[in-house]
Amino acid sequence: ETGVTQSPTHLIKTRGQQVTLRCSSQSGHNTVSWYQQALGQGPQFIFQYYREEENGRGNFPPRFSGLQFPNYSSELNVNALELDDSALYLCASSLERPDSGNTIYFGEGSWLTVV
Amino acid sequence: AQKVTQAQTEISVVEKEDVTLDCVYETRDTTYYLFWYKQPPSGELVFLIRRNSFDEQNEISGRYSWNFQKSTSSFNFTITASQVVDSAVYFCALSESVGGDMRFGAGTRLTVKP
Repeated sequence: ETGVTQSPTHLIKTRGQQVTLRCSSQSGHNTVSWYQQALGQGPQFIFQYYREEENGRGNFPPRFSGLQFPNYSSELNVNALELDDSALYLCASSLERPDSGNTIYFGEGSWLTVV
Repeated sequence: AQKVTQAQTEISVVEKEDVTLDCVYETRDTTYYLFWYKQPPSGELVFLIRRNSFDEQNEISGRYSWNFQKSTSSFNFTITASQVVDSAVYFCALSESVGGDMRFGAGTRLTVKP
């Protein structure tokens, strides 16, 4: 039990639609990262937020955007969905500053299928 | 650029056998962190270990042990006396900071048969 909860667990969207994935972290976890894991591959870093500000971004287009809220929840938004966006989306959170040395906790992920 | 290679895509062993999962990494940073995660079918990544680049001591935790060798840029993971519950996909990851973005390998699927 990591204390990181993601919703929905599974969803199916049509190409061109928009999707919002949600993550709820433990109290005090000010750092949250999102990863995309395609089938049979390792997770790839999308972006990270620290205290509601973007703190780093991977090689993903602007149609991938995020928000972090004061109540330790966050969102990943993807616009204009493409078939290749089909993947498991993982949320990871940790205490305080990104370099604080704390363990990173992952949620069980949201499985997105784009048809 | 950072890169993590897990050359073994799938490994199958019989229960009680020892198994080693290989991880080779590339980085230009002098300070970096290495991780191992376990991913069961549920999808959640379970943290197993974190090592920083200045600590080359091997670590043992129960049936798990890790061998970190900077000279060969490797961070291998050994499971002793494997059990069926060890069946999962295992990922090695590299980061320049503990909470920063992590570069994952492609993973090794371990199947332990009874």
